Amino acid sequence: EVQLVESGGGLVQPGGSLRLSCSASGFTFSNYAMHWVRQAPGRGLEYVSAISSNGGSTYYADSVKGRFTISRDISKNTLYLQMSNLRAEDTAVYYCSAMVTSYWGQGTLVTVSS
Amino acid sequence: DIQMTQSPSTLSASVGDRVTITCRASQSISNWLAWYQQKPGKAPKLLIYKASSLESGVPSRFSGSGSGTEFTLTISSLQPDDFATYYCQQYNGYPYTFGQGTKLEIK
Repeated sequence: EVQLVESGGGLVQPGGSLRLSCSASGFTFSNYAMHWVRQAPGRGLEYVSAISSNGGSTYYADSVKGRFTISRDISKNTLYLQMSNLRAEDTAVYYCSAMVTSYWGQGTLVTVSS
Repeated sequence: DIQMTQSPSTLSASVGDRVTITCRASQSISNWLAWYQQKPGKAPKLLIYKASSLESGVPSRFSGSGSGTEFTLTISSLQPDDFATYYCQQYNGYPYTFGQGTKLEIK
């Protein structure tokens, strides 16, 4: 059974940092580019970041460029999103996904507030 | 960035109705388009990929069509489980932008 399980979300103050993890199982993680998508409360889906299957290429939305870093550890079948200098507008549920497939995590909530 | 525009934003319909949702891309994306269904508190669920290919396990009442800049998602006969929000997404190039969503409500 394919599983993507996010962790690491929580409440953080503006300007703070957080690292999200996404643990993958049930499929060959190293064969897939991986992505982070977020959804602010009551809003639509926003594409955040991507990393190629071998980790050699990355992409960031303008809204997070310079503040977020995506990485992966193929030996641990885990995807990461290091988030720094967090802002209130980064408050959202963060999903990891192996697009374009049915492989999505359940999401982890990040709340940026003082 | 490629902009994706869905219409309508909200759609009221009844069980058994045939409904169509439209998605327009700001430039040609060939057939690199996906459709997702999302229910409250849940992750998006892939319905259609490459504009018209049905994901495994998705009921055949869902269908997709289009290419270039104009795409449609059709549900041939609405079932109670279909009331949800639907998103299109282009994956022709980064960022893989989403439409703003179409909320399908019970009339």
